[in-house]
Amino acid sequence: QVQLVESGGGLVKPGGSLRLSCAASGFTFSDYYMSWIRQAPGKGLEWVSYISSSSSYTNYADSVKGRFTISRDNAKNSLYLQMNSLRAEDTAVYYCARGLLREYYFDYWGQGTLVTVSS
Amino acid sequence: DIVMTQSPDSLAVSLGERATINCKSSQSVLHSSNNRNYLAWYQQKPGQPPKLLIYWASTRESGVPDRFSGSGSGTDFTLTISSLQAEDVAVYYCQQYYSTPITFGQGTRLEIK
Repeated sequence: QVQLVESGGGLVKPGGSLRLSCAASGFTFSDYYMSWIRQAPGKGLEWVSYISSSSSYTNYADSVKGRFTISRDNAKNSLYLQMNSLRAEDTAVYYCARGLLREYYFDYWGQGTLVTVSS
Repeated sequence: DIVMTQSPDSLAVSLGERATINCKSSQSVLHSSNNRNYLAWYQQKPGQPPKLLIYWASTRESGVPDRFSGSGSGTDFTLTISSLQAEDVAVYYCQQYYSTPITFGQGTRLEIK
């Protein structure tokens, strides 16, 4: 069965960095676009970034552009999000999610990893 | 960016009654090339990730009970639960995937009256 398992969240000070990982299994990872979507405590869903199946194409929400970098390793069935210059407003649960194409619905989501940015 | 606006923000419905949630997009999400509406609906229960219910505005995801249905086209969409069950208590989100950035509605909280 399809599984997405995020890790790497935690408490970080403003201006700090964190790298999230998402381990995928149960499907051919290299066939799919992958996204990061976040949810601030008690708030709605915000798409953060996606990456194409071959890593040739990426895109970011304006709120994270220039600070976050998405990447993947198809040999390891893993997705990553490098987050730099973190701000308090980046505090959220970060989900990885699968979508077949660049603009698509998300049929599988991980359980999420909590990132807290606070001094 | 396409802005997605849901109504109402919260809704209380009696068990066995119909629940209706609306979603309006700031521009059409109907793609002329394939006549498909790039609109999905998700259900999120506390402490869980969102779960896909409906895609292409009206196609039910495998395993989703048939009391859930989606309708609409262009800019106006509806999620209907025909007979509310206790396990349907959740927050519901619409999402457009017509263009980047992908955007979600603010969510509608559904409770039992």
